Amino acid sequence: RKEVEQDPGPFNVPEGATVAFNCTYSNSASQSFFWYRQDCRKEPKLLMSVYSSGNEDGRFTAQLNRASQYISLLIRDSKLSDSATYLCVVNRSAGGGADGLTFGKGTHLIIQP
Amino acid sequence: EAQVTQNPRYLITVTGKKLTVTCSQNMNHEYMSWYRQDPGLGLRQIYYSMNVEVTDKGDVPEGYKVSRKEKRNFPLILESPSPNQTSLYFCASSQYNRGLDYGYTFGSGTRLTVV
Repeated sequence: RKEVEQDPGPFNVPEGATVAFNCTYSNSASQSFFWYRQDCRKEPKLLMSVYSSGNEDGRFTAQLNRASQYISLLIRDSKLSDSATYLCVVNRSAGGGADGLTFGKGTHLIIQP
Repeated sequence: EAQVTQNPRYLITVTGKKLTVTCSQNMNHEYMSWYRQDPGLGLRQIYYSMNVEVTDKGDVPEGYKVSRKEKRNFPLILESPSPNQTSLYFCASSQYNRGLDYGYTFGSGTRLTVV
């Protein structure tokens, strides 16, 4: 199982619709979870952290399911400006080897007028 | 303004000609990291640094070197670039705990082409 797995899409969604996508992670010891947004050829930017209790930021809601090891992102009332690639991010295991955060390959979202 | 600055933004070079991509952050962050991003492969960690004079390999370190002589700077060195190192490179930094609390701040990226 890959460390962080996402459906690459693209998801074509009409403006104003609600869209949700998930990602799964393999390391049951992971403690930190994030969603990043990346516009074409630009740097990833932190969209929101994901907490155990779930959290909401305006039109965006993130959920964490530790038992099933997946994270979700819900976007309500989608805007044209929401078109981007959304990266699921999870911390690596502590100890030897590569460190810090590991990134999913991203889900490409296209909002259509 | 708090930021991570990479230079150059674009670079075309020839095989075997040594190059350095600079990365500098003005946030007094301890943790810094380099990633490369390729189509279909996502972001892959090259090297990271926990603090000054402390560096370690990521997932794809072959063909790269780094140094951390000062807290603010973390240059990426390609001693003998090859075409398979053509990629989009990102430098990232975080305040503490290796980005586990607040995530990373990324530089704007360096698009490198090796011919």
